[in-house]
Amino acid sequence: GAVVSQHPSWVICKSGTSVKIECRSLDFQATTMFWYRQFPKQSLMLMATSNEGSKATYEQGVEKDKFLINHASLTLSTLTVTSAHPEDSSFYICSAHPTVDTQYFGPGTRLTVL
Amino acid sequence: QQQVKQSPQSLIVQKGGISIINCAYENTAFDYFPWYQQFPGKGPALLIAIRPDVSEKKEGRFTISFNKSAKQFSLHIMDSQPGDSATYFCAASKGGSEKLVFGKGTKLTVNP
Repeated sequence: GAVVSQHPSWVICKSGTSVKIECRSLDFQATTMFWYRQFPKQSLMLMATSNEGSKATYEQGVEKDKFLINHASLTLSTLTVTSAHPEDSSFYICSAHPTVDTQYFGPGTRLTVL
Repeated sequence: QQQVKQSPQSLIVQKGGISIINCAYENTAFDYFPWYQQFPGKGPALLIAIRPDVSEKKEGRFTISFNKSAKQFSLHIMDSQPGDSATYFCAASKGGSEKLVFGKGTKLTVNP
């Protein structure tokens, strides 16, 4: 079946640094990908919609200058957390849909900011 | 209008029993309703999904029941197994390729 991968699976960084997370669709092309954030024991909250070749669409309350999204190709979207702080520590998950009615999620990236 | 309300928050079932998780939505523009299973530290995995034009969909031990007039849908897990122990999320979207709105999740524990 369709596979969505993420890299890295976990990252630990110091406060103030920037971290890049990659989301790839391995066997299909995705003009749209979604980025979610999940805090422990909570549900998934959509952060932004990543659109290939155009600007991302951010959900209300999500700082676009802090969470930079680049969808440079039909198989790759990146999320960069700029000037990360401890409150940005979370589980970041991307998703993509190879066809209508099938949206697959990546394995997630655990970000810990010290 | 964008919320999806999910219950119960947690559920304990004996092996072989039926697990039932319920969700309700308000936005009548939603027309795609998937269920996801998530194990700790992993991304959600698509279990089964339904469109409003059918009232029930079954795949193996998993069944979605959909009540359009009540704006409710539920997941039934038949013959529940300890390996089913996970967190289950219902979701909804306007179209099968659009952003998903998730319920708060149900932590299912199946005792052996």
